[in-house]
Amino acid sequence: QSVLTQPPSVSAAPGQKVTISCSGSSSNIGNNYVSWYQQLPGTAPKLVIYDNNKRPSGIPDRFSGSKSGTSATLGITGLQTGDEADYYCGTWDSSLSGVFGGGTKLTVL
Amino acid sequence: QVQLVQSGAEVKKPGASVKVSCKASGYTFTGHYMHWVRQAPGLGLEWMGWINANSGGTNYAQKFQGRVTMTRDTSISTAYMELTRLRSDDTAVYYCARVDAHSSGISFDYWGQGTLVTVSS
Repeated sequence: QSVLTQPPSVSAAPGQKVTISCSGSSSNIGNNYVSWYQQLPGTAPKLVIYDNNKRPSGIPDRFSGSKSGTSATLGITGLQTGDEADYYCGTWDSSLSGVFGGGTKLTVL
Repeated sequence: QVQLVQSGAEVKKPGASVKVSCKASGYTFTGHYMHWVRQAPGLGLEWMGWINANSGGTNYAQKFQGRVTMTRDTSISTAYMELTRLRSDDTAVYYCARVDAHSSGISFDYWGQGTLVTVSS
């Protein structure tokens, strides 16, 4: 049972837009920055969004992030087949622990 | 370029211990905290704890308190994670992950390739 709640799966057609939600509480998302990770099959996670809405160097602007209250959202526009992956949100908790969502499998139909 | 290279896969019996290494290169090792995250087969990411690579200070997830020890050797830019009293549900891929110094929060900008630890009798 993950501390942060994500939908198990989302899907959309190539070229379309998709959003992935991440719900937490005031002890984690509500008072901390959120980051998002992309995990392709058989590989280590890769940072795609940090500090709620910032993109690391090399991440295309098709990826965006936002946060409101105790929830965060990852958005991906212009979907490509290469975006098919598991996506995880993560943040810090007031218990001084890192916490992650359970992950969302993105399927590009 | 920044690289985190982890030690190879391990097979352990229940009750044994495992020590995974994470060798860093391409940056100042003592300038970043290192975290450890694990992922059981088919499941999500689970945070285990961190080590301050400069001071050696640590903080562990409550779930692993008493079983995990994180250390580092600054002379060879390597972090270690040792887990004792292994159980079958410790079977997972273990990752080291560097904290992004540019982040105001805590995010992990570089990850090791992962080390599969299998616990089986």
